Amino acid sequence: AQSVTQLGSHVSVSEGALVLLRCNYSSSVPPYLFWYVQYPNQGLQLLLKYTSAATLVKGINGFEAEFKKSETSFHLTKPSAHMSDAAEYFCAVSSNTGNQFYFGTGTSLTVIP
Amino acid sequence: ETGVTQTPRHLVMGMTNKKSLKCEQHLGHNAMYWYKQSAKKPLELMFVYNFKEQTENNSVPSRFSPECPNSSHLFLHLHTLQPEDSALYLCASSQVNEGREQYFGPGTRLTVT
Repeated sequence: AQSVTQLGSHVSVSEGALVLLRCNYSSSVPPYLFWYVQYPNQGLQLLLKYTSAATLVKGINGFEAEFKKSETSFHLTKPSAHMSDAAEYFCAVSSNTGNQFYFGTGTSLTVIP
Repeated sequence: ETGVTQTPRHLVMGMTNKKSLKCEQHLGHNAMYWYKQSAKKPLELMFVYNFKEQTENNSVPSRFSPECPNSSHLFLHLHTLQPEDSALYLCASSQVNEGREQYFGPGTRLTVT
């Protein structure tokens, strides 16, 4: 079975500070991993994905994530938070068949001016 | 239209009403999904369609009835809903076995009175 765990349902950072959102996965086979962002009253937008090509994945809006097999982690980072980054962030892992996504419970990011 | 579209964006219905949610994807994908997103709860996968065939039904009550007439359109027919069914209903699509990421529509905010 596959699953993801997001540590911290709420994270607050100051504008300009480092953003670190944590995600740990459980998978018996090499996973496909994703980060999505959801702004209020909108659907989920793909930020980035890991598909085994490179362990450091760069996404949109200055976000990146590093796949660490030894730690079964796929944490999302951004060097400098912007007010527009305030949103809900979801980590997800894909099943072997690609039909099912297993989403984490989400982390709400607040950016303090 | 581009991406995944959903109509209506907002819906208020009584418990005895019958209504339908519509989703259309303009990405040429071969799989479509319905998710339910309730406050304070993880995303719940409801139905999966691959090549118009339903492949997943995650113990969804029969008052929710999906329909996939072709690979671009997906409906969710609703009848005799309960107040606890109030949620954001998200549609997504993907190209199975290619990249595997899912693309989401903006959602329909459903309120059952």
